[in-house]
Amino acid sequence: ETILTQSPGTLSLSPGERATLSCRASQSVTSNYLAWYQQRPGQAPRLLIYGASSRATGIPDRFSGSGSGTDFTLTISRLDPEDFAVYYCQQYGSSPLYTFGQGTKLEIK
Amino acid sequence: EVQLVESGGGLVQPGGSLRLSCAASGFTFSTYEVNWVRQAPGKGLEWVSYISSSGSTIYYADSVKGRFTISRDNANKLLFLQMNSLRAEDTAVYYCARAVGRRFDNWGQGTLVTVSS
Repeated sequence: ETILTQSPGTLSLSPGERATLSCRASQSVTSNYLAWYQQRPGQAPRLLIYGASSRATGIPDRFSGSGSGTDFTLTISRLDPEDFAVYYCQQYGSSPLYTFGQGTKLEIK
Repeated sequence: EVQLVESGGGLVQPGGSLRLSCAASGFTFSTYEVNWVRQAPGKGLEWVSYISSSGSTIYYADSVKGRFTISRDNANKLLFLQMNSLRAEDTAVYYCARAVGRRFDNWGQGTLVTVSS
């Protein structure tokens, strides 16, 4: 089983700042199968990034993803007030079929 | 517009059963893989089950294997999750999620299942 560990658990920043979120896998992940999601309070998750670095439809270009192997990063270049939410990474594997990281909460400083 | 609408959640006693439904619209349901993903109160996301577009291939998380059954009705654009022998730890919001290229590109709004006496 591939375990995804996200860091930090909570990130406190101000609007306009740059956010860097990390997702580390316990074993190598196929880059095509690494995705990032945003979840605002009371809402369903929303796909942000897939294939480690491709933005989903309608996602602003301030969101970017990078990485390969076991280390992946989600970067938000300039934080907008609507970006304060919880972010999850997710990978497709074998058993279980899909796993999620535990999440990073991005909060307003 | 792609829409996924879950229903069937509620309060059930430990050991009881519940059947969740997810109604799809705005896309050709029969050509997409779909999944159930759950989220316990205040916790993270947990994948529960997968079903292929035809329904011929199914997978479960170990935590629900042998108790939950996923199925689909392509003619009526419906996804189901039959949940038996429910436990307190099954308490969660259950989401149906469409899968494209091994990622979940559309999610329903979720339905809350509470297992408690």
